[in-house]
Amino acid sequence: RKEVEQDPGPFNVPEGATVAFNCTYSNSASQSFFWYRQDCRKEPKLLMSVYSSGNEDGRFTAQLNRASQYISLLIRDSKLSDSATYLCVVDKAGTALIFGKGTTLSVSS
Amino acid sequence: ETGVTQTPRHLVMGMTNKKSLKCEQHLGHNAMYWYKQSAKKPLELMFVYNFKEQTENNSVPSRFSPECPNSSHLFLHLHTLQPEDSALYLCASSQEPSGRAGGGELFFGEGSRLTVL
Repeated sequence: RKEVEQDPGPFNVPEGATVAFNCTYSNSASQSFFWYRQDCRKEPKLLMSVYSSGNEDGRFTAQLNRASQYISLLIRDSKLSDSATYLCVVDKAGTALIFGKGTTLSVSS
Repeated sequence: ETGVTQTPRHLVMGMTNKKSLKCEQHLGHNAMYWYKQSAKKPLELMFVYNFKEQTENNSVPSRFSPECPNSSHLFLHLHTLQPEDSALYLCASSQEPSGRAGGGELFFGEGSRLTVL
């Protein structure tokens, strides 16, 4: 099983749509979880951290299920500017961060 | 403007050349990293430095040699590379070692795009 696994997509959605991305991780000892965003030919940037209680930042909601080793990201009311690759990121059992392949989102008008 | 700068942004080299990638962070962070990003693959962690000490080498071939002279600078020395080493090499830094609980956000440079002929 890959350390961090994501559906690569692409997800093609119209503006205003709600879209959800899923991610699974293999190491049950992982403690830190994040979603990063990477625009085309740019560096990754932190979108949000993911907590067991779930957290929300505007149109973005992240959830963590430790029992299932599963992380999700929900984007509501999609904007054109949300088009990017979304990277699921998990710590390597307390050491450095490991990135998933990313899920590509394309929002069209 | 990014707090992590990488040079050169683009590099083309032959398999027998020796070159170096440079990274400098202006954020006062204590940890620095090299990641490799190839097409259709996830970012691959290469090396981790905490307080100038290498704490992780993720089974990277010896043709890649990192150097961290101080907490603000990180180099990746390249020699006798292979065409499959062509990729985007990303440097990152964090206030504290990123994998630890509460370790904090990774800040990336814009990357050095390497082509090996």
